[in-house]
Amino acid sequence: DQQVKQNSPSLSVQEGRISILNCDYTNSMFDYFLWYKKYPAEGPTFLISISSIKDKNEDGRFTVFLNKSAKHLSLHIVPSQPGDSAVYFCAASLIQGAQKLVFGQGTRLTINP
Amino acid sequence: SAVISQKPSRDICQRGTSLTIQCQVDSQVTMMFWYRQQPGQSLTLIATANQGSEATYESGFVIDKFPISRPNLTFSTLTVSNMSPEDSSIYLCSVTSGRDIQYFGAGTRLSVL
Repeated sequence: DQQVKQNSPSLSVQEGRISILNCDYTNSMFDYFLWYKKYPAEGPTFLISISSIKDKNEDGRFTVFLNKSAKHLSLHIVPSQPGDSAVYFCAASLIQGAQKLVFGQGTRLTINP
Repeated sequence: SAVISQKPSRDICQRGTSLTIQCQVDSQVTMMFWYRQQPGQSLTLIATANQGSEATYESGFVIDKFPISRPNLTFSTLTVSNMSPEDSSIYLCSVTSGRDIQYFGAGTRLSVL
């Protein structure tokens, strides 16, 4: 039972354009969502998070949008840079600071010069 | 954020043997977590390790196969016992620090022949 799904295994975007990564979840009890970025041979690095009481959170070039009714969140990267090429994971937890994170399968983002 | 060191970074092991993975954190943390990422899959929580108590295992993971030690607030080990090729994965430890964000080590890439 995959509670967090990233349906796009890969995404290719031109440098300078917007990258949009999507994530869907099935458990309506999830209350806190996070995005991680992972380079090869490194552990996941935290990018940005959002609580279910918000519908948007912004941090520099990264914005996360949450649509609770659709059980959908997305990560927008504007403008996209070559260093953004990595695998992006969304994750969810039942409460903020909870121990258990449920991860999606990841989306490999490639930024083309 | 916390700085997490994992050893070894990678290993190739024979089936039937065991491997112990170490996780060292640069600050005292209450909870440490162990994840597995099988090839092409998402990260899956194996267990949560609290100092001074038994680890809490997720469904599908048992102590006999993945014994965990947590002798102090900065260190933990995960042992993968009686390995088979199906145990070939990346094993990651993580901790929660500060803003209730989980921070990850670089992982241990295990190949079982």
